[in-house]
Amino acid sequence: DGGITQSPKYLFRKEGQNVTLSCEQNLNHDAMYWYRQDPGQGLRLIYYSQIVNDFQKGDIAEGYSVSREKKESFPLTVTSAQKNPTAFYLCASSANWGGAYNEQFFGPGTRLTVL
Amino acid sequence: DAKTTQPPSMDCAEGRAANLPCNHSTISGNEYVYWYRQIHSQGPQYIIHGLKNNETNEMASLIITEDRKSSTLILPHATLRDTAVYYCIVRVAVKDNYGQNFVFGPGTRLSVLP
Repeated sequence: DGGITQSPKYLFRKEGQNVTLSCEQNLNHDAMYWYRQDPGQGLRLIYYSQIVNDFQKGDIAEGYSVSREKKESFPLTVTSAQKNPTAFYLCASSANWGGAYNEQFFGPGTRLTVL
Repeated sequence: DAKTTQPPSMDCAEGRAANLPCNHSTISGNEYVYWYRQIHSQGPQYIIHGLKNNETNEMASLIITEDRKSSTLILPHATLRDTAVYYCIVRVAVKDNYGQNFVFGPGTRLSVLP
């Protein structure tokens, strides 16, 4: 089945540690995205990538880093520089062709808790 | 992208139609209206989108006013599993616009009651 997977579903880390969240898709989509969601809030864009080996900062990129070495994968690293990393992280992808049907498909999310 | 306004919460009786409103008074002529929903602790799920004509699919119907300044998502026979946060988003959908993100506001929390 085609889709987006994120792992792990729950992640705990100690303050001051870097942690990497995985996102894989087998939809053959060129574009991938990372969002952060805090309780009771909407989604905020962290980074996005339109194509392999290219990515752009979103609205809240500080304290995060990404890479896009493969079309299928877009890992997100939450660094120790992120002041308030506890949140629900969502990965999404969309086809690279334009028009009205380029809706985003979301993964199940990773809930990160900093202890 | 145009800003949208939705009520923070709504209730609906199971089996009845759920009508979720969205205001987008500053929408541009080339912006589509998209609806997503998010069940607790899951990723958002695409529901439907439209430009100016009413749209219907297996999940819902989308009614867009003639001036396009507001729209209504209709779930014709709401079930308990439709309890979720529903997001209304407007964005441009043109060729080569694949990199643009969706702006998710707080949405409407729909509670379907037994």
